[in-house]
Amino acid sequence: QVQLQESGPGLVKPSETLSLTCTVSGDSMSSHYWSWIRQPPGKGLEWIGYIYYTGRTNYNPSLKSRVTISIDTSKNQFSLKLTSVTAADTAVYYCARLWDYGGSDNGDFFDYWGRGTLVTVSS
Amino acid sequence: DIQMTQSPSSVSASVGDRVTITCRASQDISSWLAWYQQKPGKAPNLLIYAASTLQSGVPPRFSGSGSGTDFTLTISSLQPEDFATYYCQQADTFPYTFGQGTKLEIK
Repeated sequence: QVQLQESGPGLVKPSETLSLTCTVSGDSMSSHYWSWIRQPPGKGLEWIGYIYYTGRTNYNPSLKSRVTISIDTSKNQFSLKLTSVTAADTAVYYCARLWDYGGSDNGDFFDYWGRGTLVTVSS
Repeated sequence: DIQMTQSPSSVSASVGDRVTITCRASQDISSWLAWYQQKPGKAPNLLIYAASTLQSGVPPRFSGSGSGTDFTLTISSLQPEDFATYYCQQADTFPYTFGQGTKLEIK
């Protein structure tokens, strides 16, 4: 059974960098895409970006200038860094496996999710 | 970005009712659509992918249909555990986007 677990600080000061790590168990990271998604309190879901096991990334253009996703397959982990945060970045952050069902540039679905971690941006 | 619009935003229903939720894409996404169920304090759970394929372990009372721009999620006979928020997601073009959610409440 694939399991994902987010970890990192729950409180970040404005203008600083949000850093989270997702640890994957029950699955090899090879041949999969790994993604971050966030959900502001009481609101909907926003895809942040993904990383392939090779290190190839794709980011949401709305966040691209501030986001970096990296991967360490030896530790079965991938990470999110979001710079220059504001209160608008307060959200539950989920890591998820992006299942490449379509086998091309589309047709990918989030089939396994972590429990999520609330990150609050406040001084 | 492709905009996903769900309707209704909320719906009240009773156990045993049949419920249909609609999702409309701002452009043709073929059958690249998924439905997720989210319960309070939990992560979303994949119910249906490729518009109509049931994810393993999901009860057959859930079904999906549609293609192009218009899609539906139907729950044939509501069970108590089905009261949750449902999201659609387009998987045609990055950035992948979600609908705003439909909250299914007990009448």
